[in-house]
Amino acid sequence: DAGVIQSPRHEVTEMGQEVTLRCKPISGHDYLFWYRQTMMRGLELLIYFNNNVPIDDSGMPEDRFSAKMPNASFSTLKIQPSEPRDSAVYFCASSFEQGVPGANVLTFGAGSRLTVL
Amino acid sequence: GQQLNQSPQSMFIQEGEDVSMNCTSSSIFNTWLWYKQDPGEGPVLLIALYKAGELTSNGRLTAQFGITRKDSFLNISASIPSDVGIYFCAGHPTGTASKLTFGTGTRLQVTL
Repeated sequence: DAGVIQSPRHEVTEMGQEVTLRCKPISGHDYLFWYRQTMMRGLELLIYFNNNVPIDDSGMPEDRFSAKMPNASFSTLKIQPSEPRDSAVYFCASSFEQGVPGANVLTFGAGSRLTVL
Repeated sequence: GQQLNQSPQSMFIQEGEDVSMNCTSSSIFNTWLWYKQDPGEGPVLLIALYKAGELTSNGRLTAQFGITRKDSFLNISASIPSDVGIYFCAGHPTGTASKLTFGTGTRLQVTL
């Protein structure tokens, strides 16, 4: 299996521009998660989907952030307009529910490093 | 959101030494996971723990799920240079079936 695939790996953009990050989860996984990692705040859960349906988006910073999962093999995280404080590494992760209830074990992608100038 | 308290924040050790790090929470967790992150990569799962008191090994790594369900530790024996990285604990608090909460990370440096 190729694992969780994210693109782009690096993105440098100017403030005000739209940014779209993409993720292909592992085939057969029914959960998909978007995390943001910064030095100050560590790993933060932004949103997660189950069977393509958004379940919890309470971590999404504000209306400038949106995420979609049109099908089981693709998700996007969009920032519009982008701001310098959005600079971070954004990770996508996928999982399936293990035999033990609540025991989702996440597999992460390599991340998308975003720099907003 | 809730965070797990992980300690130490960083460690500088010599090759061959044993390492111990731990994670604590104010609330009860149903699972404990330990991940390692190499520079420029995503976290990779090392060990998963599902029951209070569970002790699990993966090569030179050993992790335990605390009896109180509010803590976990990870030990690395006979460290080697490739152990360098950031180690994260993570877990599912009771009542959050799918959301994984991460610790603040322990940065490990190994010198020859």
